[in-house]
Amino acid sequence: AQSVTQLDSHVSVSEGTPVLLRCNYSSSYSPSLFWYVQHPNKGLQLLLKYTSAATLVKGINGFEAEFKKSETSFHLTKPSAHMSDAAEYFCVVSVLFGNEKLTFGTGTRLTIIP
Amino acid sequence: GAVVSQHPSWVICKSGTSVKIECRSLDFQATTMFWYRQFPKQSLMLMATSNEGSKATYEQGVEKDKFLINHASLTLSTLTVTSAHPEDSSFYICSASPPGAGGPRDTQYFGPGTRLTVL
Repeated sequence: AQSVTQLDSHVSVSEGTPVLLRCNYSSSYSPSLFWYVQHPNKGLQLLLKYTSAATLVKGINGFEAEFKKSETSFHLTKPSAHMSDAAEYFCVVSVLFGNEKLTFGTGTRLTIIP
Repeated sequence: GAVVSQHPSWVICKSGTSVKIECRSLDFQATTMFWYRQFPKQSLMLMATSNEGSKATYEQGVEKDKFLINHASLTLSTLTVTSAHPEDSSFYICSASPPGAGGPRDTQYFGPGTRLTVL
């Protein structure tokens, strides 16, 4: 079985300050991990994905995430928040064996303070 | 990039009626599409995997006779909520993977979602 836990349901940061969205996963096999962003009235957009290559993954819009197997974590970071980053962020896990379905976390709402 | 559309974006219907939601891949062919359901302030839950030309695969606990899925072409999948009731009110989202994708672990492109309200 696989699962993912997003540790914060809501994060607020000031514009220009760093962003940290936390995600822990559980998986019986080597996982693939993703971060998706959902803007209001828009489809989910892939920010980045980890699939057993480099542990530090760089994504779009300046986001990156580090896969830490020892901590079973895949936290999303960005050095400097922008107003356009305000959205809902989902951490997602998938595993090779089984039906490879995506399992979503409960989401973190990111608010940017001007 | 790959674009997935959904129609309608929102729908309100009376209890007991059926509602059809369309999911289209606009610039690629998708042999597999996925249907998710999202409750307010909750995560996305996979309902079913839609395979072109064959029957959909439903997740445990999803009533296949209530949520009818048809994947008649490589660019269109439909979800029909039959005899809808207020508890079926939710946000329904589809996704698709472009050709050559190795499975759900590869990039999925999501539609903008359809908000269904059953009165």
